[in-house]
Amino acid sequence: AQSVAQPEDQVNVAEGNPLTVKCTYSVSGNPYLFWYVQYPNRGLQFLLKYITGDNLVKGSYGFEAEFNKSQTSFHLKKPSALVSDSALYFCAVRPNNNDMRFGAGTRLTVKP
Amino acid sequence: ETGVTQSPTHLIKTRGQQVTLRCSSQSGHNTVSWYQQALGQGPQFIFQYYREEENGRGNFPPRFSGLQFPNYSSELNVNALELDDSALYLCASSLGGAGYEQYFGPGTRLTVT
Repeated sequence: AQSVAQPEDQVNVAEGNPLTVKCTYSVSGNPYLFWYVQYPNRGLQFLLKYITGDNLVKGSYGFEAEFNKSQTSFHLKKPSALVSDSALYFCAVRPNNNDMRFGAGTRLTVKP
Repeated sequence: ETGVTQSPTHLIKTRGQQVTLRCSSQSGHNTVSWYQQALGQGPQFIFQYYREEENGRGNFPPRFSGLQFPNYSSELNVNALELDDSALYLCASSLGGAGYEQYFGPGTRLTVT
C-alpha cells in the first residue's frame, strides 16, 4: 500500500537550534514529494518540493529538505529555528498525477 | 494568502442530509482537488478535477461527488451525511501535472449532528 509516515507527532526545539521533521514514504516508482505547513485556522501552505535533480531542495522561510532514495525519506530541516516556525507540518507524496497522500502531521513547537 | 476561496466557512447539518461546498480556484489554475481532514489527522484525498473531468479519486464512497465548472471553480457534494463526515474540507488548486504544488483554501468546517 502506498503511504506516508511522519514518525514523530511532536517535535520541540529551542529557538536558534537546528530542527528536523522526519518523513518516510512507501510508494512505487519515482514519486513527487512535498512539504506543507498549517497554521491555526488556516489552510495548508506550500513550503517546498522534490521533483528530480539535487537531493537537497530549498524552500520558503529558510526551510530545506533532503531526499534520500535508498532510505525513502524526505526530512524537513532548518538550520536555525524561530518561534514563528511553530505550526503543524505535513509531508505529502504524489505517486502519480491522480493521487496524493499526506502524512498525519508533526506539530513543531519552538520555545524562546 | 492564496487566491483560493471556500464557502461557507462553517456548516452544521443533520445526519442523512445533503451538503454542497464551494471552491474558487486561483487564477490560471485548471486543476482542483478536495480533501477531508478529520481532527488530528492529515488531509485525505477525496478526488481531483482537471478541466471539468474527474481524473483521480481516493477511497471515498460514491455519495461524495463533485463538479468543476468552465471557470475552474468547483463543488463538493456529500449525500446521506454521516456523523463521521464531520471534518474540515479543504480545496486546493494547481496547474495540471503531478509536479505542481497545490494552493489550499482555508477550508469549510462541517459538523454533522
